[in-house]
Amino acid sequence: EAQVTQNPRYLITVTGKKLTVTCSQNMNHEYMSWYRQDPGLGLRQIYYSMNVEVTDKGDVPEGYKVSRKEKRNFPLILESPSPNQTSLYFCARAGGPRGAQYFGPGTRLLVL
Amino acid sequence: AQKITQTQPGMFVQEKEAVTLDCTYDTSDPSYGLFWYKQPSSGEMIFLIYQGSYDQQNATEGRYSLNFQKARKSANLVISASQLGDSAMYFCAMRGGMDSNYQLIWGAGTKLIIKP
Repeated sequence: EAQVTQNPRYLITVTGKKLTVTCSQNMNHEYMSWYRQDPGLGLRQIYYSMNVEVTDKGDVPEGYKVSRKEKRNFPLILESPSPNQTSLYFCARAGGPRGAQYFGPGTRLLVL
Repeated sequence: AQKITQTQPGMFVQEKEAVTLDCTYDTSDPSYGLFWYKQPSSGEMIFLIYQGSYDQQNATEGRYSLNFQKARKSANLVISASQLGDSAMYFCAMRGGMDSNYQLIWGAGTKLIIKP
């Protein structure tokens, strides 16, 4: 079964403490992406990756880093989290019909 | 610029009735794709249905169908015989033309509540 997994699912942290949210897919798809979802703002893309070692900024990349050292993993890194990064984060992979994206279960992050 | 508009912030529908969720889009690309996703209260995003701009027929997936009216730039989701489990947020999204890769543009969503 094709899956996108994210860890952790829930995270409470404090301002400035570096954190990493992992994302992994088991279908060898090239495209992966990170989104954040905030009430009233919908889904906004943070970063995406077309393939290994190929990443690019989405609409809201400030304060985030990503890496794509291997095809299956696409971690999201917050070097110095701030309260405005409190959000619901989704990792997604493409590969469905005509480019449909399939999402991980989401990570709820609270930055105090 | 490409844009997706969902004009219904929320809807209440009686169980077993059909539901139409509105989505209009704006793009100058001749080639594009339209998607609908469901987000239940548990939070996951679930892909429901896809319609390509060149598809001759409206897409259907079980109880879901897409009423695609290209000239009006609308791609409404129709849910037949609604069930309590259909209560969720629904998002319309669009992928642009050949150069857009897999990037999606999202609507603000519609919250659907099915009443028993």
